[in-house]
Amino acid sequence: QLQLQESGPGLVKPSETLSLICTVSGGSISNSSYYWGWVRQRPGKGLEWIGSIYYTGTISYTPSLQSRVTISIDRSKNQFSLNLRSVTAADTAVYYCARRDGTKYNWFDPWGQGTLVTVSS
Amino acid sequence: DIQMTQSPSSLSASVGDRLTITCRASQSISTYLHWYQQRPGKAPRLLIHTASSLQSGVPSRFSGSGSGAEFILAISSLQPEDVATYYCQQTYNTPFTFGPGTKVHIK
Repeated sequence: QLQLQESGPGLVKPSETLSLICTVSGGSISNSSYYWGWVRQRPGKGLEWIGSIYYTGTISYTPSLQSRVTISIDRSKNQFSLNLRSVTAADTAVYYCARRDGTKYNWFDPWGQGTLVTVSS
Repeated sequence: DIQMTQSPSSLSASVGDRLTITCRASQSISTYLHWYQQRPGKAPRLLIHTASSLQSGVPSRFSGSGSGAEFILAISSLQPEDVATYYCQQTYNTPFTFGPGTKVHIK
């Protein structure tokens, strides 16, 4: 059974870079049928798609974060990562990684358990 | 960006009741519409993909319908474990966008 697990610091200072890793187990990140993505949820708010990456390195980002975000993939470690630069308190959120269907319709399943990142000095 | 709306924003129903949640897109999205359940303190879970396909392992009391710009999630007989917030998501265009959620309570 495929599982995803987010890891990284729970506290980041304003203006610094938020860095998270998603480790995939029970399946290969190089499976050509899937993309891999990040979604965040600000406290008490809804879900916001951040971006997705394919094992070949093809990437898409949400426009509102595109200038600050980088998603990368490490096939040797079966991991993909999120870097968000110049963070502010508005970036405080639970960050989820998820597998995205890569055939046509792009639904997200399964999801990691999520990790809370707080931006504060 | 495609805007997603949901109604109602919250609802309260009794165990065994049938309930429906409506999701509307700001433009036609064919059946590029998926439903997720998020129980309190948990990650979202896929319930329905492509508007009406029940994800494996999801109870058959959940169903989805619709195409174009209007979609419905139905729960045929509400159970205590269905207390959650339900989100629709469009994947017709990037950026993929979610509805604001519908919070379901038990009376």
